[in-house]
Amino acid sequence: SQQGEEDPQALSIQEGENATMNCSYKTSINNLQWYRQNSGRGLVHLILIRSNEREKHSGRLRVTLDTSKKSSSLLITASRAADTASYFCATASTNAGKSTFGDGTTLTVKP
Amino acid sequence: DVKVTQSSRYLVKRTGEKVFLECVQDMDHENMFWYRQDPGLGLRLIYFSYDVKMKEKGDIPEGYSVSREKKERFSLILESASTNQTSMYLCASSPWTGDDKNIQYFGAGTRLSVL
Repeated sequence: SQQGEEDPQALSIQEGENATMNCSYKTSINNLQWYRQNSGRGLVHLILIRSNEREKHSGRLRVTLDTSKKSSSLLITASRAADTASYFCATASTNAGKSTFGDGTTLTVKP
Repeated sequence: DVKVTQSSRYLVKRTGEKVFLECVQDMDHENMFWYRQDPGLGLRLIYFSYDVKMKEKGDIPEGYSVSREKKERFSLILESASTNQTSMYLCASSPWTGDDKNIQYFGAGTRLSVL
């Protein structure tokens, strides 16, 4: 069952602009992760935010989590053409190791 | 760096063949996963293993089986391949404890075509 849903499904921006992707989920979570997938490749972990955290930064990435609204956002600042990829959120409801992935947002950054 | 290696990047098989997809990780992770990824459907979990010889069905286990005889290796088996199993297959691993718990490390994927 798909827990996370990303929005929008596709996003196209110019290099230098900021990109914001949103993830909504249905049940309470232990943590939420964001991953990136380049075309035809595996996923790469970007950032994990725990349920007791509200915001986290890593380089040009900023992730927020609002557990009352069951939503998270991923902001990529000053985007580059190399940021073109699909971005997925994944939610972990327990400590058992499994996470449930959303359908992803496809980001295109035009040079 | 964690390395998860899938044995093939591309595979073409015929309907009815028995297909083995192999995955090896080098970080001594307890958890290993097999997903399939189809356009518009995201990643769907096929099977999950949390220890040697232990397995748990995911969301779409029908038509698949798995084997985990050694900690580093997790195999996905299509007993009798069908055309609707044409897909991208992704293997992942994660540790059971520590700060990295729940972070999954993925292989490059195997694109399987069943003709």
